[in-house]
This record gives sequence, C-alpha cells and structure tokens, in this order.
Amino acid sequence: AQSVTQLGSHVSVSEGALVLLRCNYSSSVPPYLFWYVQYPNQGLQLLLKYTTGATLVKGINGFEAEFKKSETSFHLTKPSAHMSDAAEYFCAVSGNQGGKLIFGQGTELSVKP
Amino acid sequence: DTGVSQDPRHKITKRGQNVTFRCDPISEHNRLYWYRQTLGQGPEFLTYFQNEAQLEKSRLLSDRFSAERPKGSFSTLEIQRTEQGDSAMYLCASSLAGGKPTDTQYFGPGTRLTVL
Repeated sequence: AQSVTQLGSHVSVSEGALVLLRCNYSSSVPPYLFWYVQYPNQGLQLLLKYTTGATLVKGINGFEAEFKKSETSFHLTKPSAHMSDAAEYFCAVSGNQGGKLIFGQGTELSVKP
Repeated sequence: DTGVSQDPRHKITKRGQNVTFRCDPISEHNRLYWYRQTLGQGPEFLTYFQNEAQLEKSRLLSDRFSAERPKGSFSTLEIQRTEQGDSAMYLCASSLAGGKPTDTQYFGPGTRLTVL
C-alpha cells in the first residue's frame, strides 16, 4: 500500500523568501515521486519527478526536491518565492505497473508582496 | 499538441439524474486515467485504460459509475442516479506508457459536477 502526507494545508511566505513544502510518503515498493501544481480553474501540471538515480531533482519554475529514503521524504523547495508561485501543490507517489498516482491532501501556497 | 480536453467544464444536475463526461486525451497517448477531487483534498484514482481495455478500477467506483474508452481514443465517464456526495471535480489524465509507472500523466482542466 502507498500513501502520501503533506504537512501543512496552507503555507504563506513573503515574495523573495524560501519556499519549503513538506511531503512524506509510505510505500512497500520502491517509490516514484511527483510534485504537481494546480492553479485556480486549471488542471494539474507536473513540476518534477523522482524515478531513480540522482536524489536531488530539478523541475520547472526554479523548484527542486530531494528524495531522502531514510526519512521517507520528498520535500519541495524554491530559493526565492514569486507572486506567480501562489497555487495548490500536490505530492504524489506511484509504484505499481499501472502507474496510478496516489496524491497527498495538497498544500496551498500564498505569496505576500 | 493540444493537451487533454474535457467536456463539459461545469455540470449542475439534480439528484437522481444521470450525467456523462467526456475526455479527449493527447492524441498518441495510450493510457487514460480518471480521478476525482473533492474540495480541499487531493485527487483520488478512479480507473484507468490502456488503449480500450479498462485495467483497474478503484473501490471508489461504485456500480453507479461506468467508464468506457471504446476505440482507445476518447473516454466517457457516466454516473447514474447521482447523489449529492458525487459533487466533485472529475479529472482526466493521459500518458504515453511504456509500462513504467514513471510515465508522466498530463491532466485536463477537469469537469466540476454539482449535484443539487
């Protein structure tokens, strides 16, 4: 069985500040991990994904995430927040042949000017 | 590449009515997924197709729900005898699968269903 927990349903940062969105997973098989972003009234867009190999993964819009097996974590970071980063962020895990995604509850990111 | 499209974008219906949603995947994609997202929650997997074959269904997909992908292209999701608990955003995603769970899923904008 697989599951994802996102710590903090809402995170607020100032423009230019560090963004840190937390994700912990549970998986009985080697996990594949994803971060998606959802803007209002839009579908989900892939930010980045971890498959195998390098544990630090770089994505679009300056985001990156680090896979830490010992901590079962895949936290999302961005050094400097921009107003356009305000959105809902979802962490997801996949591991079976079907490729279905198991999502966390989401974290809403607000960016203050 | 026109992306994944879904129709309608919004649907309001009365309890007990039947509704049908359509999803058009990216043209060369052979896998198609349906998810449901309720307010304040992440998407939940409902079912997926590889070409025209429905390979997995979630226990969330009760007998009132049926999905088809008759020619391996577009898909429909029908809900019979809708209930207020069916109110949600229904998301469709597609991928070009080589049998790997890491294949990127591209999501459509969703259909928002409101059951009165």
